Amino acid sequence: DVKVTQSSRYLVKRTGEKVFLECVQDMDHENMFWYRQDPGLGLRLIYFSYDVKMKEKGDIPEGYSVSREKKERFSLILESASTNQTSMYLCASSSTLTSSQETQYFGPGTRLLVL
Amino acid sequence: GQNIDQPTEMTATEGAIVQINCTYQTSGFNGLFWYQQHAGEAPTFLSYNVLDGLEEKGRFSSFLSRSKGYSYLLLKELQMKDSASYLCAVRDRSNTGKLIFGQGTTLQVKP
Repeated sequence: DVKVTQSSRYLVKRTGEKVFLECVQDMDHENMFWYRQDPGLGLRLIYFSYDVKMKEKGDIPEGYSVSREKKERFSLILESASTNQTSMYLCASSSTLTSSQETQYFGPGTRLLVL
Repeated sequence: GQNIDQPTEMTATEGAIVQINCTYQTSGFNGLFWYQQHAGEAPTFLSYNVLDGLEEKGRFSSFLSRSKGYSYLLLKELQMKDSASYLCAVRDRSNTGKLIFGQGTTLQVKP
């Protein structure tokens, strides 16, 4: 059974703080993703990684950075949190078998509030 | 550009059938996924279509027409627990498994 875990379910931070969101998967997946989800906007891709130490910008990377030092772990970093980064953050992982119905598996989400 | 459209909200009655439509315009196509997401929870996989036609899985079915850029999710014998958001997502042709999501359809099932 695939398991994707995120370090926190709820987080409250102040404007200007550096924020780390951690994601760990136990299925040896090559691909990992960070999304944010906002009402009316759906899931938007921030960054993704297809291998250790590799990263690619998604649709809304501004204000974020990522780190993938180990295959199972993908970290999202908010260098200087701002109130417009208040959102639900979802991590996902998938294998590279993209010719199949191999789907993305999601973590439980981190609801971040920036004051 | 990349665009996926779904209705924002739908309401249906317990025991009824509901169809949630999704239209897409993407630069590449390598499969379409439907996810279910209950409030405050993570999305969970429901169905996958890569060829034209209908895929049936219990009370849920999903249809794809690649030439029309169109899919629908059909839910039969609706139950109260089916109240959730339903997300349509298209996978691109890269080997990263990257998905493009629609904004989701919130379904409310009433007694």
